[in-house]
Amino acid sequence: GENVEQHPSTLSVQEGDSAVIKCTYSDSASNYFPWYKQELGKGPQLIIDIRSNVGEKKDQRIAVTLNKTAKHFSLHITETQPEDSAVYFCADGNNNDMRFGAGTRLTVKP
Amino acid sequence: EAEVAQSPRYKITEKSQAVAFWCDPISGHATLYWYRQILGQGPELLVQFQDESVVDDSQLPKDRFSAERLKGVDSTLKIQPAELGDSAMYLCASSFLLAGGGEQFFGPGTRLTVL
Repeated sequence: GENVEQHPSTLSVQEGDSAVIKCTYSDSASNYFPWYKQELGKGPQLIIDIRSNVGEKKDQRIAVTLNKTAKHFSLHITETQPEDSAVYFCADGNNNDMRFGAGTRLTVKP
Repeated sequence: EAEVAQSPRYKITEKSQAVAFWCDPISGHATLYWYRQILGQGPELLVQFQDESVVDDSQLPKDRFSAERLKGVDSTLKIQPAELGDSAMYLCASSFLLAGGGEQFFGPGTRLTVL
């Protein structure tokens, strides 16, 4: 099937800095792009999502941008805090299925 | 707050044995998913139900894996016989809409170790 590529695989930032994670998809039919946060021993939890008719969405310190022409979307976390440390997954979906990236392990150092 | 329930949380078994995992989705969610997550990777869909019907099981290894959702509510995923390569986290998720239509809510997962 068609995949979604996620970069970087690991990211370490200092508390208060920004973190950016990028994903590239290949399915032109994709119209839904969620981001999930997974903490150790837990299932993924949705933190923000965006649909194909929107270019940017923001929720407090978290924002997602979508470039449908280039088929890539990004997660931006500002003013990072130690509790932001987790594995983050992007995904792209349409009415039939959803595919996940391989994940980015974010470490926020106090 | 409504949550997806899964049991057991952890399962250790020997290869060639049978194992079963249970999932209870959020009430009212017609769509239920079973994913397998290998350590260091993203979740991969095994099977998707809409009510009691299978919508997609193209990635389910049907020679050893089976899944059912008889009454369109809770679901069971079975592996028989288990192999060493089956060691992974098995995640259940549910959503109000199909696939890419909206948020999928995940349960805490069952971590399977096959010895």
